[in-house]
Amino acid sequence: LAKTTQPISMDSYEGQEVNITCSHNNIATNDYITWYQQFPSQGPRFIIQGYKTKVTNEVASLFIPADRKSSTLSLPRVSLSDTAVYYCLVGEPHPTDNNAGNMLTFGGGTRLMVKP
Amino acid sequence: DAGVIQSPRHEVTEMGQEVTLRCKPISGHDYLFWYRQTMMRGLELLIYFNNNVPIDDSGMPEDRFSAKMPNASFSTLKIQPSEPRDSAVYFCASRLAASYEQYFGPGTRLTVT
Repeated sequence: LAKTTQPISMDSYEGQEVNITCSHNNIATNDYITWYQQFPSQGPRFIIQGYKTKVTNEVASLFIPADRKSSTLSLPRVSLSDTAVYYCLVGEPHPTDNNAGNMLTFGGGTRLMVKP
Repeated sequence: DAGVIQSPRHEVTEMGQEVTLRCKPISGHDYLFWYRQTMMRGLELLIYFNNNVPIDDSGMPEDRFSAKMPNASFSTLKIQPSEPRDSAVYFCASRLAASYEQYFGPGTRLTVT
């Protein structure tokens, strides 16, 4: 099972770029890397997903090196509203379900605090 | 679409009582997941369904927990009898077959006294 390791917490200030790195040394060939964001009293929300190199959307960028053993979520110019817990996940193919990657295991996440 | 709908949003019950949590997934989604979140254990996957069929319930803590999905638009998670250690936020999520993106509901905060 691919497991992830990420910092427990990070602090930043408004307007700064924040990079959260996640380690997944045992990632499998067909695993995708997915990041979720969770605000207090809400369910997690999908941010971005990638397989290799770089992916960018309107919210964030995801950088994945060639060996795919780690990934970095980059949040440009954070604001106070970006204060949340960020989860890095890798897909785990299920032994009896052919639709690979159903069992996304949430780790402890990184608690990001953005200060004024 | 209104998103994933869960009810009730809050539930307070006494130990030994039966608790039923409800979920309506996003229309057209093939998969439905039940999670439990606590401070100590984080977010845990309990069970998931594909096209209304339970695929993996290995995360269900014990026989007191059961989940059903009688049709594509409704699922329940039942705890009988409930215990104080079941206190947590229970999330339901759904997704399309060809996507990793799960859409989570607002959760049900369960307190068992």
